[in-house]
Amino acid sequence: EDKVVQSPLSLVVHEGDTVTLNCSYEVTNFRSLLWYKQEKKAPTFLFMLTSSGIEKKSGRLSSILDKKELFSILNIRATQTGDSAIYLCAVEARGYSTLTFGKGTMLLVSP
Amino acid sequence: SQTIHQWPATLVQPVGSPLSLECTVEGTSNPNLYWYRQAAGRGLQLLFYSVGIGQISSEVPQNLSASRPQDRQFILSSKKLLLSDSGFYLCAWNQESGNTIYFGEGSWLTVV
Repeated sequence: EDKVVQSPLSLVVHEGDTVTLNCSYEVTNFRSLLWYKQEKKAPTFLFMLTSSGIEKKSGRLSSILDKKELFSILNIRATQTGDSAIYLCAVEARGYSTLTFGKGTMLLVSP
Repeated sequence: SQTIHQWPATLVQPVGSPLSLECTVEGTSNPNLYWYRQAAGRGLQLLFYSVGIGQISSEVPQNLSASRPQDRQFILSSKKLLLSDSGFYLCAWNQESGNTIYFGEGSWLTVV
């Protein structure tokens, strides 16, 4: 059974801190790993990772995948209150077009 | 406890035929409801969301439509399917407070 585990489940930091969110997975025929940010409404797509060791960046956010150790991290540098959200990790299996999601990490950035 | 169900689980439809995917949520009231699509090799794409009965917001122009005839019912429709409509469709819900979204089991649509 495919499995995606995110840690921590929740996290409270102060504005300006840097945070690292973790996602480990077990999936047959891995295709890609996706990160989403969910605020009050729908989750918004952040990154899709398919290759090991290639860091993807978007502003203060970055993410990298390790396909050997089966995990990914999402870094948020110089956090802002607007970063408060639930961050979802999902893994896509090749040939099935299905997504297995983690439970998410709830991040709260206090001013 | 809250549950979400969508159906059918799999569907094979010819090009030009209509579509109706249904989704219901139980155990909660006034949920936010979503329809996502995942095409091959891509992540979730938000298609529609609804914050209340009769309220539909479309995120992506397409030949699909959505309706919310009841508080906990969300329907995805098309009058004429295209090949490009093939994909995995996920219904999801959450509360306005921003709790994590919960997805239905998914509907795998193949347009032939």
